[in-house]
Amino acid sequence: DTGVSQDPRHKITKRGQNVTFRCDPISEHNRLYWYRQTLGQGPEFLTYFQNEAQLEKSRLLSDRFSAERPKGSFSTLEIQRTEQGDSAMYLCASSLGTGLSDTEAFFGQGTRLTVV
Amino acid sequence: AQTVTQSQPEMSVQEAETVTLSCTYDTSESDYYLFWYKQPPSRQMILVIRQEAYKQQNATENRFSVNFQKAAKSFSLKISDSQLGDAAMYFCAYRGYGGSQGNLIFGKGTKLSVKP
Repeated sequence: DTGVSQDPRHKITKRGQNVTFRCDPISEHNRLYWYRQTLGQGPEFLTYFQNEAQLEKSRLLSDRFSAERPKGSFSTLEIQRTEQGDSAMYLCASSLGTGLSDTEAFFGQGTRLTVV
Repeated sequence: AQTVTQSQPEMSVQEAETVTLSCTYDTSESDYYLFWYKQPPSRQMILVIRQEAYKQQNATENRFSVNFQKAAKSFSLKISDSQLGDAAMYFCAYRGYGGSQGNLIFGKGTKLSVKP
């Protein structure tokens, strides 16, 4: 399958630990997004990459969060010193675009994080 | 800031019947895109239908159609001939013109149940 894949699908961690999630976008897609979705809410934008450049970060992305996309392929999202409020589904999406033109954004199945 | 409101947390429809999901939004922009996404349980979000604000004609995709009222800032989704597979969370989303399609603003969603 050549869709957006995320790993792991589920992660349980103790408060204070660091966690890292991975997203593999559709191979030809140059744009990659991270969203966070809490229970009963719609996804909220976190950050956006075009190729390897991180072009936009939401104010939701605190200093404990860092995202990278080395070589413009896969991306990682790291959360340091996790807190219970970080428990959520973390969604990755990718699209192919240049300038103002863009294809549909395709979403992965998400990584569900539980901080205990 | 743009906002998206879905006032129906849950909706139910009989199989083969028609159901309409409501969405309102707030923006000061004149050009933008609106989307309906479907998120089945434990599966990734998929695009159902999209509408460009500059187009007066309402978008349709098979059994799915929208009623786009730009002046009223309303964007409802009509599902005709409902099927059991339509059961899911439905999210209305907004994107400003000029940004990448991934940078979406979502509503809180409507959970649609389909009764056999």
